[in-house]
Amino acid sequence: DVKVTQSSRYLVKRTGEKVFLECVQDMDHENMFWYRQDPGLGLRLIYFSYDVKMKEKGDIPEGYSVSREKKERFSLILESASTNQTSMYLCASTSWGLGGNTIYFGEGSWLTVV
Amino acid sequence: DQQVKQNSPSLSVQEGRISILNCDYTNSMFDYFLWYKKYPAEGPTFLISISSIKDKNEDGRFTVFLNKSAKHLSLHIVPSQPGDSAVYFCAASAKETSGSRLTFGEGTQLTVNP
Repeated sequence: DVKVTQSSRYLVKRTGEKVFLECVQDMDHENMFWYRQDPGLGLRLIYFSYDVKMKEKGDIPEGYSVSREKKERFSLILESASTNQTSMYLCASTSWGLGGNTIYFGEGSWLTVV
Repeated sequence: DQQVKQNSPSLSVQEGRISILNCDYTNSMFDYFLWYKKYPAEGPTFLISISSIKDKNEDGRFTVFLNKSAKHLSLHIVPSQPGDSAVYFCAASAKETSGSRLTFGEGTQLTVNP
């Protein structure tokens, strides 16, 4: 079974703190994604990566950065957390050419910024 | 610019009846459509998909219908069960990004009452 693991399920951080959200997948997938889910807004793509050290901006990259030093690991970084970044963050991975039905999501990380 | 839209934030049905969830899209390049199901505090899980070369795909109690001319798809659940209560997300992708990014709708909260 494919597994996408998000190491932190629940975090509470203070405004201005630097926050790291880690994601690891075990299926050797090329593509990895970070989404955030907010009520009434669905899942919005923050950043994605199609290879080690490669990254592309999604629809809402402002206030975020990412790091992909190893194929299995994709980190989301909030350089200076703000209250409007309180949300559920979802990591996902997939391989090229397999179609959307093979996109696998992690269980999510709930971030509260106070 | 919301390219995938689910106009109903919530839907309530009785157990055993049909649930119909709707989704509209604006981007004519989309050629692959998916439905994901999400329980609280869990990541989304794939439910069913349809390619633009088809107008219907069925999997057990779940059927997805695609009307390309209207840029509309719907998910039918028959019969509905209380365990189907969850948020349902419609998603779409374009061929050139196969295996890559998905664009999601806002989600519809389905409640199936016993």
